[in-house]
Amino acid sequence: QVQLQESGPGLVKPSETLSLTCAVSGYSISSGYYWDWIRQPPGKGLEWIGTVYHSGSTYYNPSLKSRVTISVDTSKNQFSLQLNSVTAADTAMFYCVRRGGGSSLYFDYWGQGALVTVSS
Amino acid sequence: NFMLTQPHSVSESPGKTVTISCTRSSGSIANSFVHWYQQRPGSSPTAVIYEGNQRPSGVPDRFSGSIDSSSNSASLTISGLKTEDEADYYCQSYDNSDQVFGGGTKLTVL
Repeated sequence: QVQLQESGPGLVKPSETLSLTCAVSGYSISSGYYWDWIRQPPGKGLEWIGTVYHSGSTYYNPSLKSRVTISVDTSKNQFSLQLNSVTAADTAMFYCVRRGGGSSLYFDYWGQGALVTVSS
Repeated sequence: NFMLTQPHSVSESPGKTVTISCTRSSGSIANSFVHWYQQRPGSSPTAVIYEGNQRPSGVPDRFSGSIDSSSNSASLTISGLKTEDEADYYCQSYDNSDQVFGGGTKLTVL
């Protein structure tokens, strides 16, 4: 069974960098598929942040592209998110997700989520 | 890029049928598959329909999906409503490498 688990600080100061890691078990990232980050502000909807392929190639939401870096470490079977220059508007639940279902690759496995609050 | 618009909320009684729409703002709804996710309070989303009308393993056949090119929209239909279906539902599609979510619909079963 594929499992994803987010980890990282739950509190980040404004203007600093938010960093999260997603540990994957039950599937080797090196085997393929896409590995994504999605966020959800409290009481609001889902926003796709970006994706990384096992090769390391990435693609980001154009609205966040200037502040986001997603990377993969296949030796540890994990991938990571960095979001720079955060503000209170970046407070959200962050989900790491595998995009590998069906032929069109829908989001088939989700982590439980990590709540990150931006506050001084 | 395009947007996906969903009704903010819908409500229906147990045993009835409800349909949630998802309208694409530009480009044809048929250009790329539409997926649907259910998010119960306090839980992560899970897929209930993928590629328009396919159900992941374990999803009951009370859930179905369709598209309507005339209205440029996709729909999620849930029949025989149960109280456990009460949740937020999100449609999702894509354009090249961009993944786009609808704003979500809160389904109340009362």
